[in-house]
Amino acid sequence: AQSVTQLDSQVPVFEEAPVELRCNYSSSVSVYLFWYVQYPNQGLQLLLKYLSGSTLVESINGFEAEFNKSQTSFHLRKPSVHISDTAEYFCAVSDRGGNEKLTFGTGTRLTIIP
Amino acid sequence: NAGVTQTPKFQVLKTGQSMTLQCAQDMNHEYMSWYRQDPGMGLRLIHYSVGAGITDQGEVPNGYNVSRSTTEDFPLRLLSAAPSQTSVYFCASSYRTPPGLNTEAFFGQGTRLTVV
Repeated sequence: AQSVTQLDSQVPVFEEAPVELRCNYSSSVSVYLFWYVQYPNQGLQLLLKYLSGSTLVESINGFEAEFNKSQTSFHLRKPSVHISDTAEYFCAVSDRGGNEKLTFGTGTRLTIIP
Repeated sequence: NAGVTQTPKFQVLKTGQSMTLQCAQDMNHEYMSWYRQDPGMGLRLIHYSVGAGITDQGEVPNGYNVSRSTTEDFPLRLLSAAPSQTSVYFCASSYRTPPGLNTEAFFGQGTRLTVV
């Protein structure tokens, strides 16, 4: 069994300030890790993923996340946020058995303050 | 390319009524799944399918049925709606991959269901 913990349900940040959204997971096997973003009234979109290799992964819109196996974390960061980053962010895990079932965290609502 | 299409977008049901939420994908994905999204609980897996004719239960299957007669379609049936099934429902699809790999899940726009 696996689980995902997103401790921060809401994170308000001033525009152009840095942000970190925290994600911790637990699993008895190795996992794949994902961040999905949900803009208002839309479905989820993949933001970035860690499968293997480099522990630092980046998205095309400036977000990055680092896989830390010892701390079982996959925190999402951005050095300077924009109004358009306002959304809900979900961390998710999937085990390595070819099993595509995603286990999601409870989500973090990121609000950008002008 | 339509991706994953869900219908309807909104629905209000009375307790005890039945209905089917439709989901269709045009990407020839083998894997399809249904999630429900509730405040403070994230997304929870209801049912999933790894190919036509094959379905299995997820974390919260009670009160829902699914079938997969074609690769493209994966409808979700509510047999007798209850207020506890008020939620936003998302359908997702992806390719199946061998162990050691994984691919992106594509989500529909969601169906907002209210049971009164």
